[in-house]
Amino acid sequence: QVQLVQSGAAVMKPGASVKVSCKASGYTFTNYYIHWVRQAPGQGLEWLGWINPNTGVTNYAEKFQARVTLTRDTSISTTYMDLTSLNSDDTAVYYCARCELRRYDSALAFWGQGTLVPVST
Amino acid sequence: EIVLTQSPGTLSLSPGERATLSCRASQSVSNSYIAWYQQKPGQAPRLLVYGPSTRATGIPDRFSASGSGTDFTLTISRLEPEDFAVYYCQQFGGSPGLTFGGGTKVDIK
Repeated sequence: QVQLVQSGAAVMKPGASVKVSCKASGYTFTNYYIHWVRQAPGQGLEWLGWINPNTGVTNYAEKFQARVTLTRDTSISTTYMDLTSLNSDDTAVYYCARCELRRYDSALAFWGQGTLVPVST
Repeated sequence: EIVLTQSPGTLSLSPGERATLSCRASQSVSNSYIAWYQQKPGQAPRLLVYGPSTRATGIPDRFSASGSGTDFTLTISRLEPEDFAVYYCQQFGGSPGLTFGGGTKVDIK
């Protein structure tokens, strides 16, 4: 069965960078786009961007363009989300999610369990 | 930027009742790019229906979606106890590419 397993919680200080991993299993990793979405405490869902695991091509939300980088390692079926210059507004649960279809613009059918990233002094 | 506005913010209903959730887009959206998710506390979102009325794997047929242009609806025909949760609509298109509505909480009356 399709599974996305994310790295554990990471408490970060303002100004630091965080790297969250998302390991895929149960399907051909390079066939489906991966998106990253975050959710601040008690708030809604916010999209960060997507990556094509086959080519490494990425697309980011304009709000995060300067601070987020998505990468992948096909040898271990893992994608990574790197967010720099953290501030308290970045405190959130970060999710990776796989598309339902083999298109970047299809619905997000499979989700990781989420990674809590508190940003605090 | 396409903004999705969900209403109502909270819907208080009893098990067995029908729930109708609305999602309005600030500009026309292809209904092929609309999806609905359910989220329970402490859990990741779960895909319910997409593009525009295909239920995801394992989703019961009491969940249905409809709409076109700027107005979209998720209907739960008869609420089961496990359906009390927060529901989000989502669209893909334009800039920034993918956006979510603010959510509708369905709670027990």
